[in-house]
Amino acid sequence: DGGITQSPKYLFRKEGQNVTLSCEQNLNHDAMYWYRQDPGQGLRLIYYSQIVNDFQKGDIAEGYSVSREKKESFPLTVTSAQKNPTAFYLCASTPSELGGEQFFGPGTRLTVL
Amino acid sequence: GQSLEQPSEVTAVEGAIVQINCTYQTSGFYGLSWYQQHDGGAPTFLSYNALDGLEETGRFSSFLSRSDSYGYLLLQELQMKDSASYFCAVSFSGGYNKLIFGAGTRLAVHP
Repeated sequence: DGGITQSPKYLFRKEGQNVTLSCEQNLNHDAMYWYRQDPGQGLRLIYYSQIVNDFQKGDIAEGYSVSREKKESFPLTVTSAQKNPTAFYLCASTPSELGGEQFFGPGTRLTVL
Repeated sequence: GQSLEQPSEVTAVEGAIVQINCTYQTSGFYGLSWYQQHDGGAPTFLSYNALDGLEETGRFSSFLSRSDSYGYLLLQELQMKDSASYFCAVSFSGGYNKLIFGAGTRLAVHP
């Protein structure tokens, strides 16, 4: 089955530690996205990538980093510079045409203690 | 910049019809999408409008008026399982297929 996988579903880290969230897709989509969602809020874009080895900052990129070495993979690192990292993180992908549906992974709920 | 407004909460009873409105401000508007998200789950795509008018998909319909920068999601024959948050999102030219999401409308369906 084609889809997007994110692991782990729940993640706990101590304050000051970097943590990397995994996102893999087998939909052969060019574009991939990372969103952050806080309780009762909408989705805010962290980073996005239109093509391998290229990515751009979204609206709230500070304290985060990404890589796009393979078309299938778009990992997100939450660094110690992110002031309030506890949130629900969602990865998405879409075909390249404008306006296309975004397909979401199941999300990773990160809690920093 | 881009901004969207939608009501924070809507309540309805089973079998009823509910309309969730969305107004937007964006340069280079391309289209309006709607997503459903159940508590703890991922958003799932419901509909997309790039042209004015009504798009119908089963019990759900979505409407767009580009001249009014306004759209709505219409849910008919409400069921308990429709209790969820509903997000409108805009895509815009030059946005590399990015979506800007509204804050979401939480729909509670009661018996």
